[in-house]
Amino acid sequence: DVKVTQSSRYLVKRTGEKVFLECVQDMDHENMFWYRQDPGLGLRLIYFSYDVKMKEKGDIPEGYSVSREKKERFSLILESASTNQTSMYLCASSHGTNTEAFFGQGTRLTVV
Amino acid sequence: GIQVEQSPPDLILQEGANSTLRCNFSDSVNNLQWFHQNPWGQLINLFYIPSGTKQNGRLSATTVATERYSLLYISSSQTTDSGVYFCAVSSGGYQKVTFGTGTKLQVIP
Repeated sequence: DVKVTQSSRYLVKRTGEKVFLECVQDMDHENMFWYRQDPGLGLRLIYFSYDVKMKEKGDIPEGYSVSREKKERFSLILESASTNQTSMYLCASSHGTNTEAFFGQGTRLTVV
Repeated sequence: GIQVEQSPPDLILQEGANSTLRCNFSDSVNNLQWFHQNPWGQLINLFYIPSGTKQNGRLSATTVATERYSLLYISSSQTTDSGVYFCAVSSGGYQKVTFGTGTKLQVIP
């Protein structure tokens, strides 16, 4: 079975902190994604990557950056966390094109 | 970008009832998935169904790509079916997945 693992289920950070959210997949998938989910706004794509060191902006990249140094790991970085980044963050991966995407368990981030 | 709309937005069912959830999309898609988000927030894969019909136990799904819609059928609903159901589609070359607005289902005993 495909496994996508996010490093934390719950995180509490202070405004202005640099925050790293880590995601690891074990199926050698080329594509990896970061989404955030907010009540009333649904799931929105932040960034995605289709290969090591490659990244593409999604619909809401402002305030975020990403890193993909190894194929299995995709990191989401909040350079200076703000309260409006309090949200549920979901990582996903998929293989090639036109294939099924699999999600991690999610990280609930609270910025205080 | 592609628009994905789901209906109904909310649904309350008595345990044992059947239901149909609908997903409409605005453009051609390369694939389509149905997910169930459990109370802890995890998205569980239900179906990968860019076209045709699939069944898995009490759940089945049909996608008519030429008419740009997909249906998820839940039969003999159980309280464990409660949660939010999402339709998600991708188009273009990089597998960018766009989610629908979701249907929140509550099954009451």
